[in-house]
Amino acid sequence: GQNIDQPTEMTATEGAIVQINCTYQTSGFNGLFWYQQHAGEAPTFLSYNVLDGLEEKGRFSSFLSRSKGYSYLLLKELQMKDSASYLCAVRPTGANNLFFGTGTRLTVIP
Amino acid sequence: GAVVSQHPSWVICKSGTSVKIECRSLDFQATTMFWYRQFPKQSLMLMATSNEGSKATYEQGVEKDKFLINHASLTLSTLTVTSAHPEDSSFYICSATEGQETQYFGPGTRLLVL
Repeated sequence: GQNIDQPTEMTATEGAIVQINCTYQTSGFNGLFWYQQHAGEAPTFLSYNVLDGLEEKGRFSSFLSRSKGYSYLLLKELQMKDSASYLCAVRPTGANNLFFGTGTRLTVIP
Repeated sequence: GAVVSQHPSWVICKSGTSVKIECRSLDFQATTMFWYRQFPKQSLMLMATSNEGSKATYEQGVEKDKFLINHASLTLSTLTVTSAHPEDSSFYICSATEGQETQYFGPGTRLLVL
């Protein structure tokens, strides 16, 4: 089976840094994705990790440790518009589909 | 690039009617399309995987006779909710990939069954 865990909610201050963790136990692994989803909208792609290490893309970075079944999304210089749900998704081996965690609802406060 | 559209964005229907939702990849050929359902404050649940020219693969617990999926071309997949009931009211989202690449999501279709 697939088990992907994320915190349900987080709150952070504008301008600060926040780290959203994701742990997974899946039958096979072929990549981990992070998506941002604003309320009532479809998810938008943020990052993709398939090898261990840190991937940086502007204010967003994502880290992966395959041996620990662990990833995090790091958001720097938080802006109010970053308030959204952040979804961690794992792609199993030999397939194109994704299994999503429940998502972390981030609220950025002034 | 990598734009996926869905139509309609909103649909309200009476219980017992059928509703068709279209998903199109606008600037790439989608070898695989996925259909998800999302209930309020919950994450996306994969319903089925659709490959062009072949039958869709449904996830456990999803009734294939109720949720008909057709992937007739490399740019179009349709989901038909047959004999819709109020419990089918949800946010339906499709995504598309070209090969083993990233999934790109459509804007979603909000279905309300009265």
